[in-house]
Amino acid sequence: GDSVTQMEGPVTLSEEAFLTINCTYTATGYPSLFWYVQYPGEGLQLLLKATKADDKGSNKGFEATYRKETTSFHLEKGSVQVSDSAVYFCALRPGGSEKLVFGKGTKLTVNP
Amino acid sequence: NAGVTQTPKFQVLKTGQSMTLQCAQDMNHEYMSWYRQDPGMGLRLIHYSVGAGITDQGEVPNGYNVSRSTTEDFPLRLLSAAPSQTSVYFCASSYSQRETQYFGPGTRLLVL
Repeated sequence: GDSVTQMEGPVTLSEEAFLTINCTYTATGYPSLFWYVQYPGEGLQLLLKATKADDKGSNKGFEATYRKETTSFHLEKGSVQVSDSAVYFCALRPGGSEKLVFGKGTKLTVNP
Repeated sequence: NAGVTQTPKFQVLKTGQSMTLQCAQDMNHEYMSWYRQDPGMGLRLIHYSVGAGITDQGEVPNGYNVSRSTTEDFPLRLLSAAPSQTSVYFCASSYSQRETQYFGPGTRLLVL
């Protein structure tokens, strides 16, 4: 079945460090891919998305590229801030489906 | 525009008790869904609705009931709570099945 695997956390970085959170997926057809962020005590917010191969989603300095050949959608940011501390979820929506399939989440802590 | 609202924020139940988790949205979204979030498990879909009067099961529907009498509201009912239902519950909505889902702030449920 459809599934998402993302790197286990927690991830701890210093401010201005480079961030990569790996995400790979298994899906039939052509899924859409998403990164959601959950700040402490809040619900999930869409961070970025990509709907077809080679698309790059970007928002708030974060980027992720839909790589069909490696079935990956890794999240990157060049310089993290303390305010980026949150849990990040990779997710996919299978082609032809309305349902979201989530990864287990990666907790990021950025220290000053 | 309040977005997606959920009540209560926190609830403690005894095994066997019943309760309803409320979810409302004021964005005229057709698609609504309920997820549960457990440590190390990501989010799992419980039930969803594509419009008033239409509901369907997700990945983990057992022990939960839903109904959708209006576009705005999508309550989740626990008829006989069990400790395994201790979790954080999120409601989400979107204009259609394929559009970005907006999440509520969550309800933290503890079943003793």
